[in-house]
Amino acid sequence: SQQGEEDPQALSIQEGENATMNCSYKTSINNLQWYRQNSGRGLVHLILIRSNEREKHSGRLRVTLDTSKKSSSLLITASRAADTASYFCATASRGYSTLTFGKGTMLLVSP
Amino acid sequence: DAGVIQSPRHEVTEMGQEVTLRCKPISGHDYLFWYRQTMMRGLELLIYFNNNVPIDDSGMPEDRFSAKMPNASFSTLKIQPSEPRDSAVYFCASSFSLDRGYTGELFFGEGSRLTVL
Repeated sequence: SQQGEEDPQALSIQEGENATMNCSYKTSINNLQWYRQNSGRGLVHLILIRSNEREKHSGRLRVTLDTSKKSSSLLITASRAADTASYFCATASRGYSTLTFGKGTMLLVSP
Repeated sequence: DAGVIQSPRHEVTEMGQEVTLRCKPISGHDYLFWYRQTMMRGLELLIYFNNNVPIDDSGMPEDRFSAKMPNASFSTLKIQPSEPRDSAVYFCASSFSLDRGYTGELFFGEGSRLTVL
């Protein structure tokens, strides 16, 4: 069963706007990761945030983590058409070597 | 680095046939994972290996599925006999060991899209 659940399932915005995706999970984690998947391609790692971190930045990406609420958000600023993809959160639970993925958010950025 | 290499990229077969999917992980990675992706169930972990040893195969759906890793640079996922409900995209991913302080970033291949008629 999925550990992480993304919200919304789909998001449609215009170029230049910001996109925010949320992820909720159920059990204690070691870290939480976000991945992007372009249509017909494999998943690509975007950013990782550890359980003792609250916020992390990478280029136009900003990730927050609230362990008390068991939730994370991914913000993409100044979106581009090339950001069109599915975005997945994945959790690494304590004591486990595997990642559990949510079902993803489909982001469509229109020119 | 060539990344994780999977073959074939596409496979169309008839029910009852044997299917073999192949994966070459990134050199130096000591974890290898097989995932299956469908619209209905999302990404499901099937099995993973550490240093070529299967650690957890609880995600393998049935005895029709088997996976091997004969050496550090090659793994196979076999389905015999295949059924229409096995149609999905199968991903292989590799990573460094968490014991070396690496926090589990996975590197995915491009996937093998399987269609069973």
